Amino acid sequence: DSGVTQTPKHLITATGQRVTLRCSPRSGDLSVYWYQQSLDQGLQFLIQYYNGEERAKGNILERFSAQQFPDLHSELNLSSLELGDSALYFCASSVEAGARTDTQYFGPGTRLTVL
Amino acid sequence: GQNIDQPTEMTATEGAIVQINCTYQTSGFNGLFWYQQHAGEAPTFLSYNVLDGLEEKGRFSSFLSRSKGYSYLLLKELQMKDSASYLCAVRDSNYQLIWGAGTKLIIKP
Repeated sequence: DSGVTQTPKHLITATGQRVTLRCSPRSGDLSVYWYQQSLDQGLQFLIQYYNGEERAKGNILERFSAQQFPDLHSELNLSSLELGDSALYFCASSVEAGARTDTQYFGPGTRLTVL
Repeated sequence: GQNIDQPTEMTATEGAIVQINCTYQTSGFNGLFWYQQHAGEAPTFLSYNVLDGLEEKGRFSSFLSRSKGYSYLLLKELQMKDSASYLCAVRDSNYQLIWGAGTKLIIKP
């Protein structure tokens, strides 16, 4: 158990809908990262937050947005869902941004199925 | 551009040794990570290298050569539970992790 929690574990929805995925980082971690992993594909970095502020952006679609709240939990919002958005969405957390040894620890993921 | 190369798939026999290679070309280097990911599960941290040489952790070892842009993960005394994907990731000059596509390791009895 990494100490990172994600809810829900599974989500089934229809095309065109909007969903929110939630992540709570490990105690003491200030950075949160969101990743998408489609079936048999590599990890695609979406976005990073550090202490409430956006720190880095990867290949995140305009239909997707995220935020990190004062209690450091984070939410990833996915809207106008398409079939191709079906994937595992992972959240990871680490102590701080900008440190060489900083290690990301991953939550169990949310499996999103868009029908 | 930034690039990390790993073999797509490898097969090995239970009890044997396997070496998974990773070569990288990134803008700057601030460490290299190896993660293990079982199918449908989260990646779990295995090792971190920032200086040249070998880091040993039980049955797993990781090697780094910064001048060659090269690392390998060595798994000894393979067990069936080692069947998983192994992800190589490099921290670049902006302290961002660049991820390889992963190597799927299949262990046969």
